[in-house]
Amino acid sequence: DTEVTQTPKHLVMGMTNKKSLKCEQHMGHRAMYWYKQKAKKPPELMFVYSYEKLSINESVPSRFSPECPNSSLLNLHLHALQPEDSALYLCASSRVVGQGLYEQYFGPGTRLTVT
Amino acid sequence: SQELEQSPQSLIVQEGKNLTINCTSSKTLYGLYWYKQKYGEGLIFLMMLQKGGEEKSHEKITAKLDEKKQQSSLHITASQPSHAGIYLCGAPSISFGNEKLTFGTGTRLTIIP
Repeated sequence: DTEVTQTPKHLVMGMTNKKSLKCEQHMGHRAMYWYKQKAKKPPELMFVYSYEKLSINESVPSRFSPECPNSSLLNLHLHALQPEDSALYLCASSRVVGQGLYEQYFGPGTRLTVT
Repeated sequence: SQELEQSPQSLIVQEGKNLTINCTSSKTLYGLYWYKQKYGEGLIFLMMLQKGGEEKSHEKITAKLDEKKQQSSLHITASQPSHAGIYLCGAPSISFGNEKLTFGTGTRLTIIP
């Protein structure tokens, strides 16, 4: 089973709203990721959590706040977003398949629209 | 930073025909992932190549890694409508003990009956 689930599937929010995206995996993967994907562009890494600790932040604005409550769950808290933040937000988790080798599996994404 | 260029950007192929997508890196490749994405959906893992010259197959899709050329190719034999979508290559780099993936520009594949 290589399933990563994300909720909600779609989200529309105003610039003053606070909302959260949720990601879950039950594969025992030690690392989880948030990516942002704009239309017709490849995904861009935002955050990496390893063993429930934030290990990589790709200079993401503070209006995006990640949280990893446990090894299976990853949240992305959103506050005071801008219309240009509208995108597909993808969650992924990875398993180790060898020395320095991983396999990343992605969820279906949350389509976010900021009005 | 590493850049991955995919060619062609888009491809329209008649059902049953073969096709090839290329992914060229600006830096040495230590591994290469191939993913498929339907519009607005998540990425589906196809395969990962680890070593130069390695070739892997999954159903009618074959991918090969050429380390010397810093390039990977993905070949589909006897294409079907189910192969339609966006194909993305991804190159890993390790930072702080974690994997970071940089993705290519993508190839949009359309299969016509």
